[in-house]
Amino acid sequence: LAKTTQPISMDSYEGQEVNITCSHNNIATNDYITWYQQFPSQGPRFIIQGYKTKVTNEVASLFIPADRKSSTLSLPRVSLSDTAVYYCLVPTGGATNKLIFGTGTLLAVQP
Amino acid sequence: DAGVTQSPTHLIKTRGQQVTLRCSPKSGHDTVSWYQQALGQGPQFIFQYYEEEERQRGNFPDRFSGHQFPNYSSELNVNALLLGDSALYLCASSFDQGAGTDTQYFGPGTRLTVL
Repeated sequence: LAKTTQPISMDSYEGQEVNITCSHNNIATNDYITWYQQFPSQGPRFIIQGYKTKVTNEVASLFIPADRKSSTLSLPRVSLSDTAVYYCLVPTGGATNKLIFGTGTLLAVQP
Repeated sequence: DAGVTQSPTHLIKTRGQQVTLRCSPKSGHDTVSWYQQALGQGPQFIFQYYEEEERQRGNFPDRFSGHQFPNYSSELNVNALLLGDSALYLCASSFDQGAGTDTQYFGPGTRLTVL
């Protein structure tokens, strides 16, 4: 079971690019890396998922180095509405693919 | 296309009572997972239902039980409520592709308060 480690909190300003790095040293060969965003009292929202190199969608990019022991979520030009908790997850795989959440990274975007 | 829906939005119960929470998965999804999120913590896995059976269970007592119906919707039941059961209960649905990479999509949650 791959354990993830990410910073507890980060601060940024509107318009900046934010990079949140997550380490997952014992990631297995078939594991994917998934990121969720959560606002207070709401369900987590899927942001992006990747296996290797780089994945980009309309809201974020995910960079995964060759050894896959870490990954970086990149949010371009953040706004105040990006203030949220961001979770890096490596699903347990197998039949259930259950998600083991840590405490996540609280991103605070200031004007 | 409706996403994952949960009902009710909020619920207040007293200790010792029983509660039932409901979840309708995203269209096309066949798997439902339930999570409990206490204030200030990440969600904790309760159990998962697939093909109307509990497939895996987290570290939760037997007071927590569930059910999945033929239309893939699901219920979470909690008996003999304790103050510590106060939390946001989240339902997540996915489509089982058998590859262990199925993306889970979460509903808005049900806020349960036990007095």
